[in-house]
Amino acid sequence: EPEVTQTPSHQVTQMGQEVILRCVPISNHLYFYWYRQILGQKVEFLVSFYNNEISEKSEIFDDQFSVERPDGSNFTLKIRSTKLEDSAMYFCASVGGLRGNSPLHFGNGTRLTVT
Amino acid sequence: AQTVTQSQPEMSVQEAETVTLSCTYDTSESNYYLFWYKQPPSRQMILVIRQEAYKQQNATENRFSVNFQKAAKSFSLKISDSQLGDTAMYFCAFMKYQGAQKLVFGQGTRLTINP
Repeated sequence: EPEVTQTPSHQVTQMGQEVILRCVPISNHLYFYWYRQILGQKVEFLVSFYNNEISEKSEIFDDQFSVERPDGSNFTLKIRSTKLEDSAMYFCASVGGLRGNSPLHFGNGTRLTVT
Repeated sequence: AQTVTQSQPEMSVQEAETVTLSCTYDTSESNYYLFWYKQPPSRQMILVIRQEAYKQQNATENRFSVNFQKAAKSFSLKISDSQLGDTAMYFCAFMKYQGAQKLVFGQGTRLTINP
């Protein structure tokens, strides 16, 4: 079964540094998402992306965050200047259609640690 | 805005027992989807079961079933004949019927199956 792939599995960075989290969604999917889970807390929506633009973003997704689909296969999340509170698990997800009968496929996540 | 509440932070049962996890939600939408996701220690997000709000019949997937009470806005998950591999965090999630497929998650219930 095709799956969403995220790299790296664990990223450690210093506060103030830029990080790029990478995702390869399922090849025929059209809608892409990033979610975040701070350790011990619930999973939170960050942003959705369709047709090369953001379709919805949460209040968490401020100017420090950006997303891009640079080459038709990768879907990246960039954090420009990381803060300690950005430490979390980041999940990429993709889906083929906009109905709930096409469920989201999640990647295994990237654990981001900001020191 | 939609909210999802899981009032049981932790639960623990013996192997082979039946356990029910609670979830309530709040929405003004008349049509939507509800999900239960499992997150084992690997932190992967695994879809367990899905319910469409316009369907009165409760969804079942092998040992997993739901009790969907639309009027009460309640969506509980029953796990029958629990197994050690069921040990995980379980998240209830809501999604509008149409739109960008933003999932709204509850806080999670940590379920431990004891041998």
